[in-house]
Amino acid sequence: AQKITQTQPGMFVQEKEAVTLDCTYDTSDPSYGLFWYKQPSSGEMIFLIYQGSYDQQNATEGRYSLNFQKARKSANLVISASQLGDSAMYFCAMRGLTQGGSEKLVFGKGTKLTVNP
Amino acid sequence: GAGVSQSPRYKVAKRGQDVALRCDPISGHVSLFWYQQALGQGPEFLTYFQNEAQLDKSGLPSDRFFAERPEGSVSTLKIQRTQQEDSAVYLCASSLARTDTQYFGPGTRLTVL
Repeated sequence: AQKITQTQPGMFVQEKEAVTLDCTYDTSDPSYGLFWYKQPSSGEMIFLIYQGSYDQQNATEGRYSLNFQKARKSANLVISASQLGDSAMYFCAMRGLTQGGSEKLVFGKGTKLTVNP
Repeated sequence: GAGVSQSPRYKVAKRGQDVALRCDPISGHVSLFWYQQALGQGPEFLTYFQNEAQLDKSGLPSDRFFAERPEGSVSTLKIQRTQQEDSAVYLCASSLARTDTQYFGPGTRLTVL
């Protein structure tokens, strides 16, 4: 079974500063993918960044980077130069990539990020 | 290009009514997923289609929930005899292929009175 744990119900950050959102995971799949999604108050889940378990380098997408530590089973999201529009719920999710395995995403409970001016 | 669309965006139903929720995936996306998101929680998987074939329905909470995708594009999630515990946001996602990134629609917020 796969499990995602996000231990920070809420986080606050000042505009223009960096913030790290924590995510730890548990899985028995030898190959898996890790995702971060943003959910503003409008409700739509917006894909931010992806990390494959065999990727050699940490993923980056603009102001988003994923701090992947495989031995510690952590996949923290780092947002640099926070903007007011970054205020939202953030979900970490994972999916096994084993052939014949489940394609479903397993989500954590989320972290509510508030960016203060 | 157009993203995933869902309709209606909001639905209020009386307990015991049947509801149908529609999902239009991104054109050309083979895989389609339904998730249920209760208030304050992360989404939870309901069911998965590859083209018109429903390959995984292990997350459907009861036999009152039924999903179809008859022509391999638009999908409908039907809930029969709705109960208050069915109140949630129902999210649809599609991906180009089985292991590709899933892109979500805006969701349908269902409230059962």
